[in-house]
Amino acid sequence: EMQLVESGGGVVRPGGSLRLSCAASGFTFDDYGMTWVRQAPGKGLEWISGINWNGDSTGYADSVKGRFTISRDNAKNSLYLQMNRLRAEDTAFYYCARGDINYYGSGSRNWFDPWGQGTLVTVSS
Amino acid sequence: QSALTQPASVSGSPGQSITISCTGTSSDVGSYYLVSWYQHHSGKAPKVMIYEVTKRPSGVSNRFSGSKSGNTASLTISGLQAEDEADYYCCTYAGNSIYVFGTGTKVTVL
Repeated sequence: EMQLVESGGGVVRPGGSLRLSCAASGFTFDDYGMTWVRQAPGKGLEWISGINWNGDSTGYADSVKGRFTISRDNAKNSLYLQMNRLRAEDTAFYYCARGDINYYGSGSRNWFDPWGQGTLVTVSS
Repeated sequence: QSALTQPASVSGSPGQSITISCTGTSSDVGSYYLVSWYQHHSGKAPKVMIYEVTKRPSGVSNRFSGSKSGNTASLTISGLQAEDEADYYCCTYAGNSIYVFGTGTKVTVL
């Protein structure tokens, strides 16, 4: 069974940093791109970052560009999100999901499946 | 990177059909045949219901169907059932390693 499990969420003060992790199992991790999506309280889903299978291509939403860094360790079947200079508006559930960051034509998986259950990040003083 | 526009809410009685629209621009929805739809029950992981505009993943009911015309994509749920009550989001690849989600639609089964 394919599974993604996020960890690393918690409470952090504005301006602080946090590193989220996503552990993958049940599929060949280094065959796929991965992505992070978040949902702020009472708000909708927001795509924030993605990475290709080997880490040499990444993408970021304007809302996090320059503050967040996505990375992966294929040897550990793990995806990461380093979040710096956190703001109150970064408070959200953060989900990891499998999906390609670029369009490669047929065979490209430009949708997100599966998803993890999410980890909550709260930015508050 | 503006969110795609969806109606805030759509409702229907059991057995009826409903359609959720998802409007973007010629740079995102209109440029790629890569719209996907997600069902999200509060507290659970989102679930893909439709990908590449019209394709249904294994295990998803054939009551769910998708389409696209120009800059607007649509999700239709036929034979509405109580378990379909959830939030639904469209999403599209927008080029340059970027994705955009829709604003989300709350589906209520009356």
